[in-house]
Amino acid sequence: DTEVTQTPKHLVMGMTNKKSLKCEQHMGHRAMYWYKQKAKKPPELMFVYSYEKLSINESVPSRFSPECPNSSLLNLHLHALQPEDSALYLCASSQGATSNYGYTFGSGTRLTVV
Amino acid sequence: GIQVEQSPPDLILQEGANSTLRCNFSDSVNNLQWFHQNPWGQLINLFYIPSGTKQNGRLSATTVATERYSLLYISSSQTTDSGVYFCAGMDSGGSNYKLTFGKGTLLTVNP
Repeated sequence: DTEVTQTPKHLVMGMTNKKSLKCEQHMGHRAMYWYKQKAKKPPELMFVYSYEKLSINESVPSRFSPECPNSSLLNLHLHALQPEDSALYLCASSQGATSNYGYTFGSGTRLTVV
Repeated sequence: GIQVEQSPPDLILQEGANSTLRCNFSDSVNNLQWFHQNPWGQLINLFYIPSGTKQNGRLSATTVATERYSLLYISSSQTTDSGVYFCAGMDSGGSNYKLTFGKGTLLTVNP
């Protein structure tokens, strides 16, 4: 299995809703990432987990809450989002703790906040 | 922070043509990678190429780390090659986890 699987593919949520994005990989990768991508822009790093511990938080607002239940799963919990949070959310993984390897990205969750 | 700059920003080709995309990066960038993002948003890792040359079918890439640039070659382009091509690198002086992307080259291949 050489894939990163993200669910759901599309999500529409209201500003008072709570929802979660899920990401799964079975490649034995020990680093997992959340990226946010706005239209016509490059992806921007949000969070990094290494060996199931949060190692980087790029000053992301607390309405985004990451969780890594085990080495194969990564969640992003969403609460009280704003319309400007609408974007493509990409999960990725890489093999080593020092990340001297290529990244594998999932196909993303396209989020719309109404 | 590190700098990753791509050119051209847009490129339109006729099917069958060849093209070269360029990525210039600042001194402290390493772990250079090339990605293709298709119109549906999927990011595919094309090459992990911190230095040297690699080839995969009609695509090849060369990174000259000492001169801080990388080139992606697409030969005999097909309409399925359309999308955005990103190069990305990491800061060798900082966290090894953070991949910083260039702004991308939007490639359109017409039939």
